[in-house]
Amino acid sequence: EAQVTQNPRYLITVTGKKLTVTCSQNMNHEYMSWYRQDPGLGLRQIYYSMNVEVTDKGDVPEGYKVSRKEKRNFPLILESPSPNQTSLYFCASSLRTVSTDTQYFGPGTRLTVL
Amino acid sequence: AQKVTQAQTEISVVEKEDVTLDCVYETRDTTYYLFWYKQPPSGELVFLIRRNSFDEQNEISGRYSWNFQKSTSSFNFTITASQVVDSAVYFCALSERETSGSRLTFGEGTQLTVNP
Repeated sequence: EAQVTQNPRYLITVTGKKLTVTCSQNMNHEYMSWYRQDPGLGLRQIYYSMNVEVTDKGDVPEGYKVSRKEKRNFPLILESPSPNQTSLYFCASSLRTVSTDTQYFGPGTRLTVL
Repeated sequence: AQKVTQAQTEISVVEKEDVTLDCVYETRDTTYYLFWYKQPPSGELVFLIRRNSFDEQNEISGRYSWNFQKSTSSFNFTITASQVVDSAVYFCALSERETSGSRLTFGEGTQLTVNP
């Protein structure tokens, strides 16, 4: 089944404890992206990747890192999480890196930073 | 800068009623793409439809229909004979051709509740 998967789905952690949220797609998509969803602010892009080893900042990259060593995986790294990073995170992918392409989203990761 | 406005924060209807979700967008680009996504209570984002700015042909898919009007910068979504399973948050989104990172700009969403 073609899909985008994220792990973990739920995570409660404490301030400063490094964490990684994994994202994987099995559709051979070139483009991958991370968004966060917050009440009243909607969905905002954090980072994106046009292809392996090609990543760039979105609208709200502060406090996050990403890497794209393999085409299928695009992990989101929080080196020192803070409470303002409590949010619902979505990974997305699309076949090509053009704005015409539909982005398909993973199931989301609900992160709470205490 | 691109912007998407969904003025209806919440809509509540009774099952079998028709309901229209409004979406108004702003863009300076002449080539752009519009999307609707559905977020059910389980939280995932489900793609519903994509339209490009050159295609103003409206579409019907089962109980869903979409009305795209460039003259008013609107891309409205109608559910006919609503069902309880349609209860979800619906997001309208915009992507400009020249936007770096293929970033989707989302509206704030409309919470639709369909009551039995």
